[in-house]
Amino acid sequence: DAKTTQPPSMDCAEGRAANLPCNHSTISGNEYVYWYRQIHSQGPQYIIHGLKNNETNEMASLIITEDRKSSTLILPHATLRDTAVYYCISNTGTASKLTFGTGTRLQVTL
Amino acid sequence: DTGVSQNPRHKITKRGQNVTFRCDPISEHNRLYWYRQTLGQGPEFLTYFQNEAQLEKSRLLSDRFSAERPKGSFSTLEIQRTEQGDSAMYLCASSWDTDQPQHFGDGTRLSIL
Repeated sequence: DAKTTQPPSMDCAEGRAANLPCNHSTISGNEYVYWYRQIHSQGPQYIIHGLKNNETNEMASLIITEDRKSSTLILPHATLRDTAVYYCISNTGTASKLTFGTGTRLQVTL
Repeated sequence: DTGVSQNPRHKITKRGQNVTFRCDPISEHNRLYWYRQTLGQGPEFLTYFQNEAQLEKSRLLSDRFSAERPKGSFSTLEIQRTEQGDSAMYLCASSWDTDQPQHFGDGTRLSIL
């Protein structure tokens, strides 16, 4: 079973920030938080990951709470091309497999 | 840096036939993973290789499934005597060792008639 909890769907207006929450209350000390997204008919695309510090790259920002029990993925200026299913996964860095849940379906609208 | 390549992109076959899929990982990635994804669900882990060694297999990988990575580069996934329930997207991913993220191909969609 997936170890994270995400809302099934969210909407966001184009140009606005999309804030996608994830609950991982049972995360252990050596587990990272990974975010992937999947656009229809494509494979999952890696977005970002972090252990306990906030992280930012060219795609998104990852904010992890101090107790590490939840995190938020931020897409600062959402576009229509960001419409996808977003998966939050907690995983040890050297684990063999990613355990996907059903993710959050983000719909970006005009 | 080309991404993970999977062939074919689509495969339609009759029940009972054998099928084989190929995955070419990102160059020099020593870890290679296979996942399966059915409609409306997230990908499910099947197996993974470190170089040519198959180190873990999921219970989802029945004895009709076999995966190989003979020279530690590309990998093949074969399904023998296909069944209706095998219809799914088969995804391949690769990564460097340790804590680097997995990068996925666009999958092979298998349809069983």
